Amino acid sequence: DAMVIQNPRYQVTQFGKPVTLSCSQTLNHNVMYWYQQKSSQAPKLLFHYYDKDFNNEADTPDNFQSRRPNTSFCFLDIRSPGLGDAAMYLCATSRGGITEEETQYFGPGTRLLVL
Amino acid sequence: AQKVTQAQTEISVVEKEDVTLDCVYETRDTTYYLFWYKQPPSGELVFLIRRNSFDEQNEISGRYSWNFQKSTSSFNFTITASQVVDSAVYFCALSGLNTGGFKTIFGAGTRLFVKA
Repeated sequence: DAMVIQNPRYQVTQFGKPVTLSCSQTLNHNVMYWYQQKSSQAPKLLFHYYDKDFNNEADTPDNFQSRRPNTSFCFLDIRSPGLGDAAMYLCATSRGGITEEETQYFGPGTRLLVL
Repeated sequence: AQKVTQAQTEISVVEKEDVTLDCVYETRDTTYYLFWYKQPPSGELVFLIRRNSFDEQNEISGRYSWNFQKSTSSFNFTITASQVVDSAVYFCALSGLNTGGFKTIFGAGTRLFVKA
């Protein structure tokens, strides 16, 4: 089945230690997104890629970076995780047609714990 | 302003009851899309439905039904004969030209508890 895969499902890191979360997709979608979701809140968009074009949200901290080496893979790098970065990180994809009608398909998420 | 309001933070029902989750939106777009997603305890957001602003027909899919009313800017979701497996957080979402390219505005979510 075509899907969005995130690894690992749970990630524990230490305060200030760089961490990378990964996402892959078999849907061949042009757009990939990274969201941060804290407990009992809506997902918050961090950035997205349309193909190789990177689009950062204005309020995304510099501590968060992303890479998309090819269509299938996208990575979220947190350069110096703080305690406030503990959250669920969701990857999503969409086809990349007419922007406003895009349906996003989500992966299972990676829950990040910062010690 | 582009906004989605889900006024119900939590709802608790007993199995087999019907339950309606409310969603009210604000947009200045004439063409826009509305979505519902389900987030079970496992964490993945599962796409349920997409509705465009020109299609006000109600939709039914099994025990799920959606009522879209442009006059009241609402897109409500009803689960008939609820089951324990329906327990999840449900998000209503909006996208349109003025939400920004490829950006979806999510409501705060409604947490549904279905008790056996």
